[in-house]
Amino acid sequence: GAVVSQHPSRVICKSGTSVKIECRSLDFQATTMFWYRQFPKQSLMLMATSNEGSKATYEQGVEKDKFLINHASLTLSTLTVTSAHPEDSSFYICSATSGGSSYNEQFFGPGTRLTVL
Amino acid sequence: GDSVTQMEGPVTLSEEAFLTINCTYTATGYPSLFWYVQYPGEGLQLLLKATKADDKGSNKGFEATYRKETTSFHLEKGSVQVSDSAVYFCALSDTGGSYIPTFGRGTSLIVHP
Repeated sequence: GAVVSQHPSRVICKSGTSVKIECRSLDFQATTMFWYRQFPKQSLMLMATSNEGSKATYEQGVEKDKFLINHASLTLSTLTVTSAHPEDSSFYICSATSGGSSYNEQFFGPGTRLTVL
Repeated sequence: GDSVTQMEGPVTLSEEAFLTINCTYTATGYPSLFWYVQYPGEGLQLLLKATKADDKGSNKGFEATYRKETTSFHLEKGSVQVSDSAVYFCALSDTGGSYIPTFGRGTSLIVHP
């Protein structure tokens, strides 16, 4: 099956620093990638949708300047949390789809646990 | 808009017990329905899916039937194992166009030996 990786799996940073999270599709070309945020014991909240080579589409309430998303190739998307603060601590999950099917199944990465001190 | 409602957890069972996790949905069109499983510290994995009414999705002993008349997609397993302990998410997506699923809040399952 299709595999999506994320790096790093865990990151701890100081308040005010920026953190970059990578999402890669390992064995398929991802035309669209999604970034989610998950709070403890809650469901996934879609943050943004990115298509290769174009600007990401952010969901309402998500700060574009805070969460920078780049989808430079068909196998890589990055999420940069700029000037991170403790309230940004969360579990970030990416997913990718290759399109071409009737329902465009998403394949999820294993997630990145961000802790901001 | 589209929404998914799941039973609240945690659901606590003994090994080999029967499992049911209820899921109902609201959608304007004819969505595809999914169950995802999330093991501790990991991302989501697709467990099973059904793309039209009366379809039954099944995988690893789990199954769910797409019931349009009751707008439900309940997850069942006849005999759970300790390794099934995880969080289960029901989700739907509209067919056609971009695929952005709507997730339920998730139901935690704890299976004791």
